[in-house]
Amino acid sequence: GNSVTQMEGPVTLSEEAFLTINCTYTATGYPSLFWYVQYPGEGLQLLLKATKADDKGSNKGFEATYRKETTSFHLEKGSVQVSDSAVYFCALYYGNNRLAFGKGNQVVVIP
Amino acid sequence: GAVVSQHPSWVICKSGTSVKIECRSLDFQATTMFWYRQFPKQSLMLMATSNEGSKATYEQGVEKDKFLINHASLTLSTLTVTSAHPEDSSFYICSARAGKGDTDTQYFGPGTRLTVL
Repeated sequence: GNSVTQMEGPVTLSEEAFLTINCTYTATGYPSLFWYVQYPGEGLQLLLKATKADDKGSNKGFEATYRKETTSFHLEKGSVQVSDSAVYFCALYYGNNRLAFGKGNQVVVIP
Repeated sequence: GAVVSQHPSWVICKSGTSVKIECRSLDFQATTMFWYRQFPKQSLMLMATSNEGSKATYEQGVEKDKFLINHASLTLSTLTVTSAHPEDSSFYICSARAGKGDTDTQYFGPGTRLTVL
């Protein structure tokens, strides 16, 4: 089936630290991959996406590379800010309007 | 642009009552809307897909008589949880897409927290 696995647990780090959130997927074929962000009290917003192998999605200093050989789409940011505190969801699109989401990771950035 | 709202943002009800949640696309016409359910520390699970003017398509394991979905216009879909019980307590999120055809772009509402006592 189609599924997404995110690393367990919240992520707490200091401002300007390097952020990595791991995401691996299982899918038939080569689905589009996404990272969504949910700020407190708001809906999920598309952060970045990649539609084929070796594509790199980037936005607001965040990056993720579609790795077919490791079935991964890890999210990275070189220097986080307090305003990056949110929940981050990895997802894949498997056709017919369907998205499969990971469990999400709470990121807390401490000043 | 592409804003989706939900109302109410949270609701508490007694067991056995019904609760209606609204999902609106504020600045675009949503040909398709989706309803998800999210348990604490779990991923979003798709419950159903609704197209304007037609019956909703429910995912396997979702009771259609329990979760009534109406997509009466291009900007409004409603989810009614009928005869709610404590196990229905959850976070319900809607999303919407514009246009037709197969597309991966969905715009999400902020969610509704339902607590059934």
